[in-house]
Amino acid sequence: DTEVTQTPKHLVMGMTNKKSLKCEQHMGHRAMYWYKQKAKKPPELMFVYSYEKLSINESVPSRFSPECPNSSLLNLHLHALQPEDSALYLCASSQLGGPFYEQYFGPGTRLTVT
Amino acid sequence: DAKTTQPNSMESNEEEPVHLPCNHSTISGTDYIHWYRQLPSQGPEYVIHGLTSNVNNRMASLAIAEDRKSSTLILHRATLRDAAVYYCILRPHNYGQNFVFGPGTRLSVLP
Repeated sequence: DTEVTQTPKHLVMGMTNKKSLKCEQHMGHRAMYWYKQKAKKPPELMFVYSYEKLSINESVPSRFSPECPNSSLLNLHLHALQPEDSALYLCASSQLGGPFYEQYFGPGTRLTVT
Repeated sequence: DAKTTQPNSMESNEEEPVHLPCNHSTISGTDYIHWYRQLPSQGPEYVIHGLTSNVNNRMASLAIAEDRKSSTLILHRATLRDAAVYYCILRPHNYGQNFVFGPGTRLSVLP
């Protein structure tokens, strides 16, 4: 199974809402990633988890809160978002141990903030 | 992070070979060259990677210049399904899991 699943596929939320995005993989990967992708732009790295610990935070605003409850799951908690946060949010996973390991991406959650 | 430059867009005819170039003149000796593509409405998918030697897999071939300052992704027979944005990415050996996408090349395949 080389699949990364993400739920929900689409999410519409108001600026005062709290919601969560979920990501799951069963490939035994110990690195998991969140990316943000605006329309017609490349994905931008937000967070990296290695062995369930946050290893990289690319200066992401605190209204985005990641969580890695176990080696298969990755969440992104959203609170008080702005309309400019509307984007495709991609989750990915990879093996750890070298730059020759590829990343496996999920299909993304398309988020609209109203 | 070392940077890559790619053409914004390219066109190809179906069933013809496609050569997608990438320049990475500031590459260091231990940087791996990765290629990913993103089909419409999907997440990126891995295509191929290499360090120094040319590489082949079921999807594509990767030709790496002898000085490693450029590389070319080769699709041997383009199909309509190959229409996507292709990203060339450098991953340093002490990469710290950083993965920086450049702007990529949007490939159109004409029937």
